[in-house]
Parts: sequence; structure tokens; C-alpha cells
Amino acid sequence: AQSVSQHNHHVILSEAASLELGCNYSYGGTVNLFWYVQYPGQHLQLLLKYFSGDPLVKGIKGFEAEFIKSKFSFNLRKPSVQWSDTAEYFCAALSYNTDKLIFGTGTRLQVFP
Amino acid sequence: NAGVTQTPKFQVLKTGQSMTLQCAQDMNHNSMYWYRQDPGMGLRLIYYSASEGTTDKGEVPNGYNVSRLNKREFSLRLESAAPSQTSVYFCASSGGPGGGNTIYFGEGSWLTVV
Repeated sequence: AQSVSQHNHHVILSEAASLELGCNYSYGGTVNLFWYVQYPGQHLQLLLKYFSGDPLVKGIKGFEAEFIKSKFSFNLRKPSVQWSDTAEYFCAALSYNTDKLIFGTGTRLQVFP
Repeated sequence: NAGVTQTPKFQVLKTGQSMTLQCAQDMNHNSMYWYRQDPGMGLRLIYYSASEGTTDKGEVPNGYNVSRLNKREFSLRLESAAPSQTSVYFCASSGGPGGGNTIYFGEGSWLTVV
């Protein structure tokens, strides 16, 4: 069955620290992968997506993610976080064949000045 | 350019009442989805529809029914609401199977069952 795992449930960082959020997916076929962000009181916003090609994907606000097929992973990174990055982050996997889109349980990021 | 529109935005129901959440998209998308979002559980897929006339169960379909009325509209029905269905519900749409499509979300519907 298709599933997405986010192992970091709550991450606390100081400004300027580096960030890496883990995401692993379980699905036998081809998937498209996404990271979404949800700021407090707002709806989901797409950070970046991977469909094919270069496994290192750059998104908005300085975020990037690397697709490692052998590890079924799509980890999100940012070299230097800001207080404004405080939000909840969701990884998602879309089945290429069925268009079924499954989300992970999310990682809550708190950044302190 | 409305994108994905959900109604109502807020609703309070009594246990046992029924209601329908409406969703419409104006992007000629094939696939549509209904999710619920609960603290600490992320977005869980309730039902989805990969094309007009088809619907499939997601991760948490119990207590819900859906109708893909036409290509634009995908409604979610609670036949007999329970407090456990208190949640924020999101509708989404995408171009359809085959990958390479961006998913667009509605702004959410806050449902409270008392």
C-alpha cells in the first residue's frame, strides 16, 4: 500500500541553523513527490516538487530536496532557517498510474530568533 | 480564476445530522480529492476520483460518501455525523493520472460535530 513517513514530528531550531526534514515513501511504482508548507492559520502552499530528471530539486524560499530512489527518500533541506520558516511541513507522494496522493503526518518546525 | 472552491467554509452539526460538502474546480482537471486534516495526523485521504464517473476509497473512507457529479464537481457527504468527524476538510484537484501535474487545494471547510 502507498504510504509516506515523516520521522521528525517536531523540530526546534535557532535562526541560521541548517534544516533537514526526513521523508520516506512506500510504493512500488513511479511516484511524483512534493513538499508542502502550512503557515499558522493558512492553507497548504507548494514548496517544491519532483517529477523526473535532476534528483536535486530547488523550490521557493531557499528550500531544496533530494530524491534518492534507492532509499525511497525525499528529504527537505535549507542551509539557514529564518524565524518566518516556522510552520508545518508535509511530504506527499502521488502515484503516477492512479493519481492517488498520500501525505505524511507532517513535521512542525519552530524557529527561535 | 477561482481554482478550487469549497463550501461551506464553516459548519456546526449535531451528532446524527447529515450534510454535504461541495467542491468545484474550474481548471478542467480530471482528478479530485477529499482530505481531512487533524492535529498530529497530517492530511488523510478520504476519497478520490481519478476521472469523471469513478471514485475510490482513500485511507479513511468510513462514515463518508462521495459523488463525482460531473468533471467540475466532487461532493463529500456525511450521512450521520459523529464527533470524530470534527475536522478541517480540504478538497483538491489535479490534471489526472500520468504524473507531472500540480495539485491545487481549496481553502478548507471547518466542520464541528457536537
